[in-house]
This record gives sequence, C-alpha cells and structure tokens, in this order.
Amino acid sequence: DAKTTQPNSMESNEEEPVHLPCNHSTISGTDYIHWYRQLPSQGPEYVIHGLTSNVNNRMASLAIAEDRKSSTLILHRATLRDAAVYYCILRPRSTTSGTYKYIFGTGTRLKVLA
Amino acid sequence: NAGVMQNPRHLVRRRGQEARLRCSPVKGHSHVYWYRQLPEEGLKFMVYLQKENIIDESGMPKERFSAEFPKEGPSILRIQQVVRGDSAAYFCASSPGRTETQYFGPGTRLLVL
Repeated sequence: DAKTTQPNSMESNEEEPVHLPCNHSTISGTDYIHWYRQLPSQGPEYVIHGLTSNVNNRMASLAIAEDRKSSTLILHRATLRDAAVYYCILRPRSTTSGTYKYIFGTGTRLKVLA
Repeated sequence: NAGVMQNPRHLVRRRGQEARLRCSPVKGHSHVYWYRQLPEEGLKFMVYLQKENIIDESGMPKERFSAEFPKEGPSILRIQQVVRGDSAAYFCASSPGRTETQYFGPGTRLLVL
C-alpha cells in the first residue's frame, strides 16, 4: 500500500494561510491524492482530491508537485473551526490497479491560534 | 440529502456482551466500508461490503467480528463477546462506486467496561 508522510502537528494564526505538506514518494501513476480532515469527536470529512493538476474548491486548494511525489493542502484563511487532524491519503484510480480502501496515517494536527 | 448515518452514537457494553453497530449509507450508495479508530491513532480499515457481499475483510479480526450489508436495511458490524480492547470509535463510510470518494458517518463510540 502506498504510504504518505505528514508532519505530526502545525500551528497557524487565525486569518492567515496554512500550507499542509504531504510526501508520497511511492505514489503510482494511477493514484488519486485525497485529503480529509477530522474534527474532534467527528468522522473524517472530505476536503479535496486531485490526480495531476492543482485543484480548488470552496474549502481549500490542492497543489500537486510536477513529479507527484508530494502535495500541499492550502487553507487560504484559517479559522478556529479549521482546527482538526488533516489526513493525506492515496487512492487508486481504477479497480485493477490496487486496493480501494483508504490507508490512514497519523495525519497533521492543525492548531489555529486566535 | 442525508449523509451517512450511524447508530448508536455511543454504546456501553460489559465484557462478554454483544455489540451491534448500524450504518445507513448515503442514499444510492451501494459500497460500505468500516474503519476502527483507537484513541490518538488514525483510522484502520476493517471491511468493505457491496450490497449483500463482503468484498474485502482483510482488516477485520477473524474471531468475534462479523459484518453484513443486506439487500434491505443498514449495514451491521457485530462484535460478539466484547473485550476491553474493543473500546474504540467505529466509523462507517459509503461511496457510489468502488473507486469513488468515500463519505464518512459520525461514528459509534464503543466503551467496554
């Protein structure tokens, strides 16, 4: 199973941008990069996903390195409600290329300071 | 649109009792996944079901644990003869297709006394 590596924790000031890095040097050509976040006492919440190109949605942006061995989740203006554990997960593109279950790491615990 | 629903949200059992956890997927989703999360750890995959079939149970302990997803009704994760080590949060996720984004429920927190 392809593995991701993330820093254990990060801090950010409220209203400032946050860049959450993820290394996935063993990524295969057909793996999507997914990001989820988990607020305290809640289930993981989908944030964003991408394959090769950078992606934007109302929650965040995903910047994917040209070699796809790393990616960065960007929260443009952190709020106190963004304090959570952020997980970077690799997901196969087709049923023939690997597993379909998510392999969670320990994620990055984001602390937002008021 | 209702998301994934799980019940109960909290469940307390004594050692040796049975625990039944229910998961109703997003309407129209026929793929269900169960994960377990121990305190301060990431989620660990347990089992993947597609209507009436178990597709992958490689993460589920061979004894005491079983899962089903009947044609009608919710998916059930059943733990027989619970032990203290079963205390954890159990999350269910669903997706419309095998390789599509999974959406998670709020979880069931099981406490075994």
